Amino acid sequence: DGGITQSPKYLFRKEGQNVTLSCEQNLNHDAMYWYRQDPGQGLRLIYYSQIVNDFQKGDIAEGYSVSREKKESFPLTVTSAQKNPTAFYLCATEGTPNTEAFFGQGTRLTVV
Amino acid sequence: RKEVEQDPGPFNVPEGATVAFNCTYSNSASQSFFWYRQDCRKEPKLLMSVYSSGNEDGRFTAQLNRASQYISLLIRDSKLSDSATYLCVVNTPGGSYIPTFGRGTSLIVHP
Repeated sequence: DGGITQSPKYLFRKEGQNVTLSCEQNLNHDAMYWYRQDPGQGLRLIYYSQIVNDFQKGDIAEGYSVSREKKESFPLTVTSAQKNPTAFYLCATEGTPNTEAFFGQGTRLTVV
Repeated sequence: RKEVEQDPGPFNVPEGATVAFNCTYSNSASQSFFWYRQDCRKEPKLLMSVYSSGNEDGRFTAQLNRASQYISLLIRDSKLSDSATYLCVVNTPGGSYIPTFGRGTSLIVHP
């Protein structure tokens, strides 16, 4: 079954904890992206990667980290330095450059 | 100035109405353009790509005006099931082309 899998679907974090959101794809896409969406807002770019072992900061990278050790995987770590992490996190991929993006089902992170 | 701007609405229309959304973008070097649909608490899904020549898919028509840097989406004969948020997406240059999202326009179709 081809697609993008994000896990977990819901995640609760205590203040001061680091958490890692998983994004796995079997579409053989080179480009992968992490976005954050707050209620009533559009998607804001956190990090992106165009190729394995390389990634770039997006517009709101502070308090987040990523890795791209495998083409299929692009995990996002939300660190304790992110002061307002409660949001809906979306992972996307893109096959042919400059075409449409495909999304996973998202992870809803809540700080408790 | 935001790179991609949309009127957030909501647009509240009766079934059968025709409704139009506009989206403007600031970077004239932007390339590909898309409309996505997002249902409440779900991921965005591609509705249609937008071409300079226009693009029609059933009740939906998308247009691109490069000179004025705006994109439009027209929905004819609105259905209850069209209620959603419509996101304008522009692939914006920045080393490579990055999908950049507007904040979305909310559509509510009522009986």
